[in-house]
Amino acid sequence: DTGVSQDPRHKITKRGQNVTFRCDPISEHNRLYWYRQTLGQGPEFLTYFQNEAQLEKSRLLSDRFSAERPKGSFSTLEIQRTEQGDSAMYLCASSYPTGTQYFGPGTRLTVL
Amino acid sequence: TQLLEQSPQFLSIQEGENLTVYCNSSSVFSSLQWYRQEPGEGPVLLVTVVTGGEVKKLKRLTFQFGDARKDSSLHITAAQPGDTGLYLCAGEERNNNDMRFGAGTRLTVKP
Repeated sequence: DTGVSQDPRHKITKRGQNVTFRCDPISEHNRLYWYRQTLGQGPEFLTYFQNEAQLEKSRLLSDRFSAERPKGSFSTLEIQRTEQGDSAMYLCASSYPTGTQYFGPGTRLTVL
Repeated sequence: TQLLEQSPQFLSIQEGENLTVYCNSSSVFSSLQWYRQEPGEGPVLLVTVVTGGEVKKLKRLTFQFGDARKDSSLHITAAQPGDTGLYLCAGEERNNNDMRFGAGTRLTVKP
């Protein structure tokens, strides 16, 4: 399978804990995107990388959120001091620079 | 407010019926994608439309991009229970290539 993969698929954590998610994009794609999706809504853009450079961050991405793509391949999204409002599906997508985005299966985060 | 407005928000029909869902915006897009998403999964790409007025067919699904590249529709003929899901449209903004999603139409097809 050469699609976008995400790990873990599900994460349950207690409020105040830190969590980290991983995304492995389609190997030929140099753009990688992170989105957040809550129930009944479409995905909301968080940030994206072109190769290893983080080119844009949404205002939704508070200081508790950080994303990296150190070698221009896989990416991690870390949430520090999680809050109940962080509970959502976190989606990763990849693409060529001006191409269609292909999504991974998502990581569902539940903060208790 | 959503940049892309999708309607209806919910749609429940019987197997065999036809339906159309809409995606509207005041912005012009360089391309527009339709995705289908099942619960607990990521969106799966159905189609990309690029040219104003373009019509694409995917088996029983027909996608149309508006002439002004601001809106789109998805028509399903003879809907089947397997068509059940959340249908999302997403537009690539012309100026910055950012992708913006609508809130989706949740379709339920009853057998």
